[in-house]
Amino acid sequence: EAQVTQNPRYLITVTGKKLTVTCSQNMNHEYMSWYRQDPGLGLRQIYYSMNVEVTDKGDVPEGYKVSRKEKRNFPLILESPSPNQTSLYFCASTRGGGGRRGYTFGSGTRLTVV
Amino acid sequence: TQLLEQSPQFLSIQEGENLTVYCNSSSVFSSLQWYRQEPGEGPVLLVTVVTGGEVKKLKRLTFQFGDARKDSSLHITAAQPGDTGLYLCAGPTGANSKLTFGKGITLSVRP
Repeated sequence: EAQVTQNPRYLITVTGKKLTVTCSQNMNHEYMSWYRQDPGLGLRQIYYSMNVEVTDKGDVPEGYKVSRKEKRNFPLILESPSPNQTSLYFCASTRGGGGRRGYTFGSGTRLTVV
Repeated sequence: TQLLEQSPQFLSIQEGENLTVYCNSSSVFSSLQWYRQEPGEGPVLLVTVVTGGEVKKLKRLTFQFGDARKDSSLHITAAQPGDTGLYLCAGPTGANSKLTFGKGITLSVRP
């Protein structure tokens, strides 16, 4: 089954403790992206990757890092999480094509930073 | 910045009613997409509209892209409780497959 898999689904952590949210897709998609979803603000792009070893900032990249060493994986790293990073995070992928193709989203990771 | 405004923000209707919701922008988009998101899950693509004036149907859902490609509408006929969810419109911005999303429309269909 074609899918984007995120782990973990739920995570509660403390301020400053480094964490990684994993994302893997099995569709051989070139383009992958991370979004956060907050009430009243909608989905906002954090980082994206157009292919292996090619990553760039989205609209809200502060406090996040990403890497793309393999085509299928695109982990999101929070080096020193803070409470304002409490949010619902989604990884998404697409084959590319200037945004005309639909995104496939993961099921989300609900992160709480205390 | 290309923004997408969705309206209404919230909608609560009785099963069997018809409804129309909107996605508007002051900018021209090469295409627009509609997604539905259920609680606790990621958005799922419903449709992509590409040509100005295009109409696409998905069972009881009818999607239209405006002639000027600045807006889109979603019409649901005889809504059912299973239609409940957050409806998002999105459009490509920039040259890197980035999608910009509207804030969404929360639809509740009461049995």
